[in-house]
Amino acid sequence: DTEVTQTPKHLVMGMTNKKSLKCEQHMGHRAMYWYKQKAKKPPELMFVYSYEKLSINESVPSRFSPECPNSSLLNLHLHALQPEDSALYLCASRKGRGTDTQYFGPGTRLTVL
Amino acid sequence: LAKTTQPISMDSYEGQEVNITCSHNNIATNDYITWYQQFPSQGPRFIIQGYKTKVTNEVASLFIPADRKSSTLSLPRVSLSDTAVYYCLVGVLNRDDKIIFGKGTRLHILP
Repeated sequence: DTEVTQTPKHLVMGMTNKKSLKCEQHMGHRAMYWYKQKAKKPPELMFVYSYEKLSINESVPSRFSPECPNSSLLNLHLHALQPEDSALYLCASRKGRGTDTQYFGPGTRLTVL
Repeated sequence: LAKTTQPISMDSYEGQEVNITCSHNNIATNDYITWYQQFPSQGPRFIIQGYKTKVTNEVASLFIPADRKSSTLSLPRVSLSDTAVYYCLVGVLNRDDKIIFGKGTRLHILP
């Protein structure tokens, strides 16, 4: 199984809503990532979890709250988002060492009204 | 982290070989070069990775000169389905390393 899954595929939410994005991998990877991608732009790193601990937070606003409940699961909790937060949110995982590569999920298309 | 520079866009025709060059003048000794492909509304997909000389897999080849200040992704006999954005990344993939995507090259294959 070399797949990273993300749910939901699409999400529409209001600025006062609370929602969560979910990412799952069963490859035994110990590093997991959240990226944000706006249209026609490259992915921008948001958070990195290494061995279930948050190792990098790229100065992301607190309305985005990551969580890594176990080594296979990564969540991104959303609260009080702004319309400019509308984007494709990508999850990725990596084995954790050496020259191995990232595996990306298909993303969640988020629209904030 | 080594900064990368790629052409913003390229056009080619079906059946042609396409070469996309990435410049990374300040690449470090331990850095590897990785290329990803991304289709619209999908996550990036690993294509190829290398350190020096030439690497080939079933999808592409990667040419890296001795000074490693640039690299060239070669896609043989492209088809319409190769229309995508191609990203060149340079870095050491340690667990705490940051992986920064450059602007990428939009490749458009014409019939």
